[in-house]
Amino acid sequence: QSALTQPASVSGSPGQSITISCTGTNSDVGGYNYVSWYQQYPGEAPKLIIYDVIYRPSGVSSRFSGSKSGNTASLTISGLQAEDEADYYCSSYRSTLYVFGTGTKVTVL
Amino acid sequence: QITLKESGPTLVKPTQTLTLTCTFSGFSLTTSGVGVGWIRQPPGKALEWLALIYWDDDHRYNPSLKNRLTITKDTSKSQVVLTMTSVSPLDTATYYCARRSISLVHDYWGQGTLVTVSS
Repeated sequence: QSALTQPASVSGSPGQSITISCTGTNSDVGGYNYVSWYQQYPGEAPKLIIYDVIYRPSGVSSRFSGSKSGNTASLTISGLQAEDEADYYCSSYRSTLYVFGTGTKVTVL
Repeated sequence: QITLKESGPTLVKPTQTLTLTCTFSGFSLTTSGVGVGWIRQPPGKALEWLALIYWDDDHRYNPSLKNRLTITKDTSKSQVVLTMTSVSPLDTATYYCARRSISLVHDYWGQGTLVTVSS
């Protein structure tokens, strides 16, 4: 099954805001409000930072926010910090199955 | 506290069958809506969803791998087992198990286990 499309890399300076897009179809991102986002540091397991498009699990910084428009979901990181440098993956429910995005490497300049 | 841990061989020969076990604690796989899924990540590549088993024993597979995967659960042992047949070097990856919550999200993940397929 085809993966969701994310930009390979996004960069920003400390304090800036960046947005990562996640494009799917009306069979996944556009069809359900079950989009989640994960942060992954090298050598570590992914960590859930956004679920159901807009919700943050307890303990996740409010600098992370999610949204969706049509078949594209977005993750915005506000007030970029050095610790935000990591890989980010989106995921969506797809009619009883799941699919992940291609991944985005965030670099803090 | 919810934890999951993957276990299995670190090295498998091509054409062999890979069996991975996910042992979890802090939740029950008898709770309605809950599931345990498997996700893998080849070195330097993206995450790939593989399979999911639900509290009621229903299961789902990635269509691309469906013919090679089998997922089962042993509720009494709090374990989920993933079997993959006819492995090749393309199956070299870190394999993760994760809880699928009633909110339909994979919220808690294991640390992952690296499996290398090589002769």
